[in-house]
Amino acid sequence: DAGVIQSPRHEVTEMGQEVTLRCKPISGHNSLFWYRQTMMRGLELLIYFNNNVPIDDSGMPEDRFSAKMPNASFSTLKIQPSEPRDSAVYFCASYGSGGKGSTIYFGEGSWLTVV
Amino acid sequence: GNSVTQMEGPVTLSEEAFLTINCTYTATGYPSLFWYVQYPGEGLQLLLKATKADDKGSNKGFEATYRKETTSFHLEKGSVQVSDSAVYFCALDQTGANNLFFGTGTRLTVIP
Repeated sequence: DAGVIQSPRHEVTEMGQEVTLRCKPISGHNSLFWYRQTMMRGLELLIYFNNNVPIDDSGMPEDRFSAKMPNASFSTLKIQPSEPRDSAVYFCASYGSGGKGSTIYFGEGSWLTVV
Repeated sequence: GNSVTQMEGPVTLSEEAFLTINCTYTATGYPSLFWYVQYPGEGLQLLLKATKADDKGSNKGFEATYRKETTSFHLEKGSVQVSDSAVYFCALDQTGANNLFFGTGTRLTVIP
């Protein structure tokens, strides 16, 4: 299995531009998570989906952030307009319904720098 | 509610020293407990887990025992190596919630 695939791996963009991060979860996993990681705030859960439906988006920092999961194999996290304080590593993770103790699998992250 | 509290870092140890990273949790019911590790420049990956009280998870020389009476899942290793330098996250999975709750992470640096 290829694991959780994220793109782009690295992006540098100017303030005010739109940023779209993409994620392909592991086939058969029915939960998908978007996390943000910074030195100051650590690992923060932004939003998670179960069976393509957003369950909890309370971690989304503000209206500039939006996430979609149009089907079981694809999700996007969009920032519009981007700001320097959005610079972080954004992780996508997926989680199967294999019962108690199932493992969550992380992608390698999208490293975003907004200048 | 569900939460995980782990010891503040960073932790710096000499090679071959003994490691303990404390983790305590709050949860209803009987959660599963995990330790994830993040090496520099990579995503998190599962290190070990335990799904019921008194279970011991182990991997790569690391161990953690699920202690229901103290609601703890402390990570230990008898002799750390430079290659163990990473950030370690404690997490819990509330049964049926289909979600994971992570601690804030503890950065470990092992010096030769």
